[in-house]
Parts: sequence; C-alpha cells; structure tokens
Amino acid sequence: QQQVKQSPQSLIVQKGGISIINCAYENTAFDYFPWYQQFPGKGPALLIAIRPDVSEKKEGRFTISFNKSAKQFSLHIMDSQPGDSATYFCAASINTDKLIFGTGTRLQVFP
Amino acid sequence: DGGITQSPKYLFRKEGQNVTLSCEQNLNHDAMYWYRQDPGQGLRLIYYSQIVNDFQKGDIAEGYSVSREKKESFPLTVTSAQKNPTAFYLCASSIQVGQPQHFGDGTRLSIL
Repeated sequence: QQQVKQSPQSLIVQKGGISIINCAYENTAFDYFPWYQQFPGKGPALLIAIRPDVSEKKEGRFTISFNKSAKQFSLHIMDSQPGDSATYFCAASINTDKLIFGTGTRLQVFP
Repeated sequence: DGGITQSPKYLFRKEGQNVTLSCEQNLNHDAMYWYRQDPGQGLRLIYYSQIVNDFQKGDIAEGYSVSREKKESFPLTVTSAQKNPTAFYLCASSIQVGQPQHFGDGTRLSIL
C-alpha cells in the first residue's frame, strides 16, 4: 500500500515531442506528489509538485496531471529538448511522513 | 551558497571494512535522509533523522548505522555486515519530514 508504481522504465522521444511519465499509488492518504529530475552523477532535484486539491499544475514546459479517483498522476514534458534527457522520479508522502519514491524513468530526447 | 555537500564523490572499500560517508548541510534544515540508489530500483531509504540526536530506520537499514550529533551533519557508516554495499549513496535534507527534499550529489561506493 506504500508503493508508488512508475512507468515506463525508459522513454525515447524526438526533439519537440511530448514526454509522458505515469505513476500510480494505492494509499489514498498520500497528499503530496513531487517529481524529481536527476542527471548522471548528480543528485535528484525537485522539478514540480502537486497536492490533491488541484487536478493540474503547470510550470513552463512541465505539467503534472492528477487523477484522484484513479489514484494516478503523470508528468508531461511539452516540446521535449535534448537537455531534458535525465532520469525522472515520482514520489508521494502523507502529511509529514517520509517520501516514497517510484523506480524512475530514463528519458532520452533525440535531436 | 546554501546546499548539501557529500564527500568523497568516489569511495573504495575492502572486504570486511567499515566506511563512513559524510553529509553536511548549511540550509538549517531539521530533517536529513540517506538513500541508496541501484539501477532500476529507484531510491530506497536507509535512515532518516527528524531532529538532532534522533534517527529512525528506513526500509533497508540493515548493515548501516548513522549519528546526528549536530544539526548540519548526518554521517552514514556502511558496516562490514552490509553484504552488497556497492551503490550510489544520496544524502538529502528538508525543513521537516515530508517537505521538499534537497539532495547532495552523491557518493559512489565500490568494493575492491
């Protein structure tokens, strides 16, 4: 019940395309859903986060879509660029409890 | 600049040796964390600390130990009891548990 399932494991997108990464959870008590971006040899960096009182949050080319009834949330990267090539992690937490991370998606954007 | 410093970046350990990974933060955060990252398994929580002189086991604490004597420091010791220590270790901190976490750039530990 504490797991966060992330898919796909890897994703190849052409420059200018839309990258979509999905996460699903079981515990309806989760109330904080961040996405992290990690470049090789570096630590993850917070990209964007959402709480369940909204269905969508957009920051530049990055959008989180949240479906509370389906217990799913996704990251959309519009106009994907080669510089977006990285590993992306979704996560979830309950109030002040620790974060539960998904297993990661390796995104490669080709010119 | 405020941030999290992990050292060293690369570390090599002989069989049967304990080794300590350093993590220092100057963000004035109360909570600190240690994660282990293996290919295809994401980030798994080893230990976390909500406040000085307090820490709790995460999901994979066996073979590891920590201390939190100062707010800014949270060292991780990988003991000889950890049978498969080769991994990328990440330290993080947050204002409090459950708030956005800021990560260091990791230490890659290898067995000689």
